[in-house]
Order: sequence, then structure tokens, then C-alpha cells
Amino acid sequence: EIVLTQSPGTLSLSPGERATLSCRASESVSSTSLAWYQQKPGQAPCLLIYGASSRATGIPDRFSGSGSGTDFTLTVSRLEPEDFAVYYCQQYGRSPWTFGQGTKVEVK
Amino acid sequence: EEQLVQSEAEVKKPGESLRISCKASGYKFTDYWISWVRQMPGKGLEWMGRIDPSDSHTSYSPSFQGHVTISADRSTSSVYLQWSSLKASDTAMYYCTIVTTGYWGQGTLVTVSS
Repeated sequence: EIVLTQSPGTLSLSPGERATLSCRASESVSSTSLAWYQQKPGQAPCLLIYGASSRATGIPDRFSGSGSGTDFTLTVSRLEPEDFAVYYCQQYGRSPWTFGQGTKVEVK
Repeated sequence: EEQLVQSEAEVKKPGESLRISCKASGYKFTDYWISWVRQMPGKGLEWMGRIDPSDSHTSYSPSFQGHVTISADRSTSSVYLQWSSLKASDTAMYYCTIVTTGYWGQGTLVTVSS
């Protein structure tokens, strides 16, 4: 099973700042099969990025994804108040599909 | 509009059986695999398994293999997650999702308590 390790566990930032979230895989992941989700309290997750770098429909361009192999990054260029949430990466290229443990982006 | 609509919250006792559902609409049901994801209270997302509605072929995470059963009914465009004997540790929110499109159900809260 591919283990995804996200870092940091918690990111304390202010609105307007840049957020950089990491997702490291225990084995190489196909770039076409890496996704990022945002989850707010009481809500289902929302797809932000698929294929490592493609934004899902309706996602603002302040969200961007990059990476390949075992190292992937989600960047939020300028945090808006609604961006404070928990973020998860997921690989869906090799079964069993797996999620990272999440990074919480909180207001500093 | 593409939608996944899940069944309502359930409260069960340990040892009881349960089946929750996820009804798809707005797209061709057999076009996409549907997965189930568990989220225990205050915890992260866990992929449980998936089903191909076109032939009902399933794939499970080793963590859930043998503990749950995923099935599909093409006549009602529905996917199911089933337990034969619930445990208190099954208390969680369960989501159905199509990973490749980003569609998610609203979640079904399952509470298992004596």
C-alpha cells in the first residue's frame, strides 16, 4: 500500500499569506492519479486538484498543484478567509487508493 | 446535474446489521467507479473500497476487506455499503464519491452504541 505523508500537520498563517503544503509518497505515484481536497467542518470534501496539477471546475487560480514521483505540493498563493480548512492528498493510481492524514491550515 | 444522494443517518446497536445507500443521478451510472470513504469523529479520510457499477467488480482496502461489503444495483443507480455485525468502532461518517470527477455524497452518519 502506498503511504502518503502530509506535512506540516498544522500550518498557522494570516490571510493574504502563501500556504505551501507537502504530500510525500512511500512509492512513486502516477502524476495523473494524485488529487488534493479541501474539507471544512461539517462538510464533505471538495476536489481542488486532480492529476497533480489540474484545477477542478470552479476552483480559483490561487490554488495550484505541482510535483511528480514521490513529492507533491499544493500551494495557495494568497490565503482568503474561506481557505482556512483541512487539506488532504489522495493517490488513486494503485490499489488500495490512499489518503494522506491531512494538513490543517489555521488562522494565526 | 450530477448528484450522489446518500441515505439518512442511522443509530444501531453492536451486533446489528446495516446497509446504507448512495443513489446516483445526472450521468450514466455505469460510466464511473464509486468509492466509499470513512471519516471517524475528528479524524481523517480513509478509502474503504470501490465498485465498478458496469460489472459490480469490487476492490477493497485491506483495512476493510472482510468487514464490509460494497454492492451496486444498476436498476436503481444505487451503490450500497453493508455490515453484517456492527461494532462501536464503526461509528463514523461515511461518504460515497467518484474520485475521478470530484462528486461526493453528503455523507451518512452511522452511530453504533449500546
